[in-house]
Amino acid sequence: AQSVTQLGSHVSVSEGALVLLRCNYSSSVPPYLFWYVQYPNQGLQLLLKYTSAATLVKGINGFEAEFKKSETSFHLTKPSAHMSDAAEYFCAVSENNAGNMLTFGGGTRLMVKP
Amino acid sequence: DADVTQTPRNRITKTGKRIMLECSQTKGHDRMYWYRQDPGLGLRLIYYSFDVKDINKGEISDGYSVSRQAQAKFSLSLESAIPNQTALYFCATSDPPGGTGGNQPQHFGDGTRLSIL
Repeated sequence: AQSVTQLGSHVSVSEGALVLLRCNYSSSVPPYLFWYVQYPNQGLQLLLKYTSAATLVKGINGFEAEFKKSETSFHLTKPSAHMSDAAEYFCAVSENNAGNMLTFGGGTRLMVKP
Repeated sequence: DADVTQTPRNRITKTGKRIMLECSQTKGHDRMYWYRQDPGLGLRLIYYSFDVKDINKGEISDGYSVSRQAQAKFSLSLESAIPNQTALYFCATSDPPGGTGGNQPQHFGDGTRLSIL
């Protein structure tokens, strides 16, 4: 069975600071991993996706994530936070023999201080 | 226009009422999903459909039913609403897995905020 744990339900950073949102997964088979972002009153938008082609994945809006099999992690980073990055972020896992079934983490709300 | 449209966007109703949430898509995807979002729990899968004749229960299907009226339409019903079904509900669509891209990302509507008093 697959599962996802996001450490920290709330993260606060200053504008211009590094953003690090943590995601650890559990999967019995090689996983596909996704990060989604949810802005207020909107649905989820795909930030980036890991499909085993490369361990460092670049996404939209300057975000990237690195797949580390030994640590079962897929942490999301951005070198310099912008006010517009304030949103809720979800990590999700999909096992490659389970069609497109996604299991989501509990989400991390990112707050950016001026 | 949005690719995945959910109606209504907001609904307040009373315990015991029958509620239908509707989802339509213009992406041409075969696969459609219904989730509910609760604070701290992320999104949990209620039902999913891989084509018009294929309906499957998800993690938390009790108290819900669905109808796939066409490739583009997937409705979620609460036959007799109860307060703990108060949540944000999302519809999503996707292509099937395939090719070097593997599992395909899901595309989400803007959600329906449902409050049951």
